[in-house]
Amino acid sequence: EVQLVESGGDLVKPGGSLRLSCAGSGFIFSNAWIIWVRQAPGKGLEWVGRIKSRPDGETTDYAAPVKGRFAISRDDSKNTVYLQMNSLKIEDTAVYYCATGLYQCGGDCYSGWGQGTLVTVSS
Amino acid sequence: ETVMTQSPATVSVSPGERGTLSCRASQSVSSNLAWYQQKPGQAPRLLIYGASTRATGIPARFSGSGSGTEFTLTISSLQSEDFAVYYCQQYNNWPPAFGQGTKVEIK
Repeated sequence: EVQLVESGGDLVKPGGSLRLSCAGSGFIFSNAWIIWVRQAPGKGLEWVGRIKSRPDGETTDYAAPVKGRFAISRDDSKNTVYLQMNSLKIEDTAVYYCATGLYQCGGDCYSGWGQGTLVTVSS
Repeated sequence: ETVMTQSPATVSVSPGERGTLSCRASQSVSSNLAWYQQKPGQAPRLLIYGASTRATGIPARFSGSGSGTEFTLTISSLQSEDFAVYYCQQYNNWPPAFGQGTKVEIK
């Protein structure tokens, strides 16, 4: 069974930094594309970014609102993906989910999800 | 950027009745369209991908149709556990994008 567990959410001041982790099990983690999606309180889902597998170049892509501030990396020896968030803004407040890309969608629809971790940006 | 628009924002349905949700793309996304269900306090769950293919373990009462810019998710006979928010997502054009969601509530 695919399991993803996010951690690292916290209360942080505007301009601050935070690193989220996404630990996976129950699947071949090194072959998985991992995506980050966020959901502001009471709002819809927003795609944040993704990291491809090492065989696919370990390429990263980001949504425009976070590009240049957020960075995704992975440590396949630990079955973990990281989301480094810098220069945080109030509008980054959200529950952050990690998810696995489904092969049948070319990796761009998401079949396994974590439970989410809450990031609150406030002074 | 492809904008996904879902309608209606909220739909009220009685248990056992059919529910029909719509999703429109601002440009063609071919059949590269997924549907997700999200219940309060839970992560989204993939229901449909490729516009009409049910994901593993999804009941047959959920069906998807459409291509290009117009898509529909139909729940043939709503069960109590189906009352939730539903999101469409396109993955044909960069970046992937979600609709704003349709809430299915009990009538």
